[in-house]
Amino acid sequence: GAVVSQHPSWVICKSGTSVKIECRSLDFQATTMFWYRQFPKQSLMLMATSNEGSKATYEQGVEKDKFLINHASLTLSTLTVTSAHPEDSSFYICSASGREGTEIFFSNQPQHFGDGTRLSIL
Amino acid sequence: AQSVTQLDSHVSVSEGTPVLLRCNYSSSYSPSLFWYVQHPNKGLQLLLKYTSAATLVKGINGFEAEFKKSETSFHLTKPSAHMSDAAEYFCVVRGDNFNKFYFGSGTKLNVKP
Repeated sequence: GAVVSQHPSWVICKSGTSVKIECRSLDFQATTMFWYRQFPKQSLMLMATSNEGSKATYEQGVEKDKFLINHASLTLSTLTVTSAHPEDSSFYICSASGREGTEIFFSNQPQHFGDGTRLSIL
Repeated sequence: AQSVTQLDSHVSVSEGTPVLLRCNYSSSYSPSLFWYVQHPNKGLQLLLKYTSAATLVKGINGFEAEFKKSETSFHLTKPSAHMSDAAEYFCVVRGDNFNKFYFGSGTKLNVKP
């Protein structure tokens, strides 16, 4: 099946540090990648959507200068939390969607999720 | 506009008994629907998807879901719960513009021994 690898799984760092999270699709081409933030006991909150080679589309209320997203290839997207502060502490999850196996219809392609990154800013 | 409603925030069953997790959706077109499971501190794993090929969809780990257009429902079922099924479950619909997914608020399944 389609596999998405997300690294690192845990990050603890000091306030003011920038943190980069990587998301890779291992066995399919991810034409679209999504970045989510999840607060405890809540559903996922979409932060941004990125298509390979294009600028990311950010959801309302998400600071694009704070959360830098790069989708440079069909298998890799990165999220950089710049000058992180304690309020940025959260669980960040990426997902990828693209053509896999014999599924040719874009509308039928599911998202496949990474295992998430627990970010703790001290 | 698309939206997803998961009718129960918590469901508790005994091991070996059936599971029913309810999901209702709204969509302008014939939707693509998905069920995901999330274990603590993990990402989401795809259980099954509906893409208009068949109304009864079989997924992994013995889960099934039935698409009922007249009821705008896509409920998830399993005949016999296992302790390892305890997790959070999300019902998701793909948006009409295809580049967005809409999540339900999640249902936490508790399985009692």
